[in-house]
Amino acid sequence: DVKVTQSSRYLVKRTGEKVFLECVQDMDHENMFWYRQDPGLGLRLIYFSYDVKMKEKGDIPEGYSVSREKKERFSLILESASTNQTSMYLCASEGQTSSYNEQFFGPGTRLTVL
Amino acid sequence: AQKITQTQPGMFVQEKEAVTLDCTYDTSDPSYGLFWYKQPSSGEMIFLIYQGSYDQQNATEGRYSLNFQKARKSANLVISASQLGDSAMYFCAMRELSFGNEKLTFGTGTRLTIIP
Repeated sequence: DVKVTQSSRYLVKRTGEKVFLECVQDMDHENMFWYRQDPGLGLRLIYFSYDVKMKEKGDIPEGYSVSREKKERFSLILESASTNQTSMYLCASEGQTSSYNEQFFGPGTRLTVL
Repeated sequence: AQKITQTQPGMFVQEKEAVTLDCTYDTSDPSYGLFWYKQPSSGEMIFLIYQGSYDQQNATEGRYSLNFQKARKSANLVISASQLGDSAMYFCAMRELSFGNEKLTFGTGTRLTIIP
């Protein structure tokens, strides 16, 4: 079974702090994704990565950066956390079945910025 | 631009009844894939079912089936014989396949509550 883990289930930070959210997958997948989930808005893509040291902006990259130094690990960084970044953050790893690519999600990190 | 619409923010259904969750989509790409995910209160997204735009038959996975109406651009999820454990958020998602687009676009979700 694919396993995607995230470093924290719940996190509370103060405005202006630098925040690291870590995601690790154990299936040697090349594609990894970071989403945020807000009520009424569904999941929105922040950044994704096709390979080590490679990153692409998603739909809402402002205020975020990412790092992929190793294939299994994809980190989301909030350089200076703000209250509007309070949200649920979901990481996903993508593998290919016979006919389609399936994304496997981690348990999520609920971040509160005070 | 691709777009997914889920018009039912919430639904209440009696246990053992069938449930239909609506999803419509918009794309100009003739090749695309449609996904349904379940998110229980624990937060983890669970993949349920996939339908490709060129698939001749509607997808089925156990109690889940996808009512795919290509001309109407709808991909409704049908859950037969609902159970209490089906209570969760459900998300429809789409990926366009022709243009090298690796992004999955999600709808806003439907919260399903099964009543005993």
